[in-house]
Amino acid sequence: DSGVTQTPKHLITATGQRVTLRCSPRSGDLSVYWYQQSLDQGLQFLIHYYNGEERAKGNILERFSAQQFPDLHSELNLSSLELGDSALYFCASSATFGTGELFFGEGSRLTVL
Amino acid sequence: AQSVTQLGSHVSVSEGALVLLRCNYSSSVPPYLFWYVQYPNQGLQLLLKYTTGATLVKGINGFEAEFKKSETSFHLTKPSAHMSDAAEYFCAVSANTGGFKTIFGAGTRLFVKA
Repeated sequence: DSGVTQTPKHLITATGQRVTLRCSPRSGDLSVYWYQQSLDQGLQFLIHYYNGEERAKGNILERFSAQQFPDLHSELNLSSLELGDSALYFCASSATFGTGELFFGEGSRLTVL
Repeated sequence: AQSVTQLGSHVSVSEGALVLLRCNYSSSVPPYLFWYVQYPNQGLQLLLKYTTGATLVKGINGFEAEFKKSETSFHLTKPSAHMSDAAEYFCAVSANTGGFKTIFGAGTRLFVKA
């Protein structure tokens, strides 16, 4: 158990819909990262938040947005969903700002039909 | 910008044989390097990391990796494979370029034959 909690574990929805994925980092970790894992794209970095502020952005689509709240949990919002958004979305947290170990949750598997 | 290339999407070894998983990186600034392992239906977990100092890094489960700056490599080795080592392995690089992005390679799936 990494200490990182992601909900929901599985989500099935239709094209055009909007979903929210939630992540609770390990106690005390200020950094939260979001990754998308798919068979064809591998593990893609989406975004990094540190103590509520966005600190780095990767290949995150404009239809996707994220935020980190004062209690340090984070949410990834995916809108206008397309079939290609079907993937495993991982949240990871870290005690440090970028140089340390990432602790991964078990992921949220999104299926868009 | 950083990037990671893992050579070989699949590697198969016999139980007891040497495991060698290759990773080359690119970074415009001094990198931090990591190897992670992912078992089916689980998140990734850290095997080992290089930040500064000694270039030979030892990790969990008997794995080690050597940082070779001249070759921009960070290959993962284990002297003797065990069936429980079968998993997917990811090399990753992180560097301070104003913010930190930990970038992962495409992964190498390790198969261990009895």
